[in-house]
Amino acid sequence: EAAVTQSPRNKVTVTGGNVTLSCRQTNSHNYMYWYRQDTGHGLRLIHYSYGAGNLQIGDVPDGYKATRTTQEDFFLLLELASPSQTSLYFCASSEDWGDNQDTQYFGPGTRLLVL
Amino acid sequence: AQKVTQTQTSISVVEKTTVTMDCVYETRDSSYFLFWYKQTASGEIVFLIRQDSYKKENATVGHYSLNFQKPKSSIGLIITATQIEDSAVYFCAMREGMSNYNVLYFGSGTKLTVEP
Repeated sequence: EAAVTQSPRNKVTVTGGNVTLSCRQTNSHNYMYWYRQDTGHGLRLIHYSYGAGNLQIGDVPDGYKATRTTQEDFFLLLELASPSQTSLYFCASSEDWGDNQDTQYFGPGTRLLVL
Repeated sequence: AQKVTQTQTSISVVEKTTVTMDCVYETRDSSYFLFWYKQTASGEIVFLIRQDSYKKENATVGHYSLNFQKPKSSIGLIITATQIEDSAVYFCAMREGMSNYNVLYFGSGTKLTVEP
């Protein structure tokens, strides 16, 4: 089973602040994803990636940048944080081959509060 | 338009009974993949079970099973002999066959409460 870790687990910042959320997976998955979770909306896809240097735009990308530095590491950047970005953020990864292809494995989440 | 819809926002059942959670999806692809995930009270999201559209047999894992009704674009999750620890939020998700990057579309979730 995939091991996905996220840091920090909790973060408080002010409006206009600069925030970086980190995600690391250690099972050599090519696909990685960033989601936000808000009450009534389920999980919404922000950005995703297939391998180092690859970035794709998700459904709710405004106000977010992402960078995939290695196969293991995927970062979400909020350069001018706003209160509307207060949310629970999840990272996930998945394989692109084999019996578990398409199944996404999630990290523990990062709770972000923008004051 | 939402691709995955869960209309039940919350369900409450008594322990040891069977519960079904509904999910309908929308796609034009002939091949697609359906998933159910569980989010525990601690926030952890765990993969439970999947159904590939080309498979006629309903998937079963432990006390989880699926009711796949392809003509109705429906994929229900059935939990038999419910336990207190099944209390959680359950998400349905879909990957379209023509989708690149294994992108999943999630429903808004159903909160299940299992009472003694």
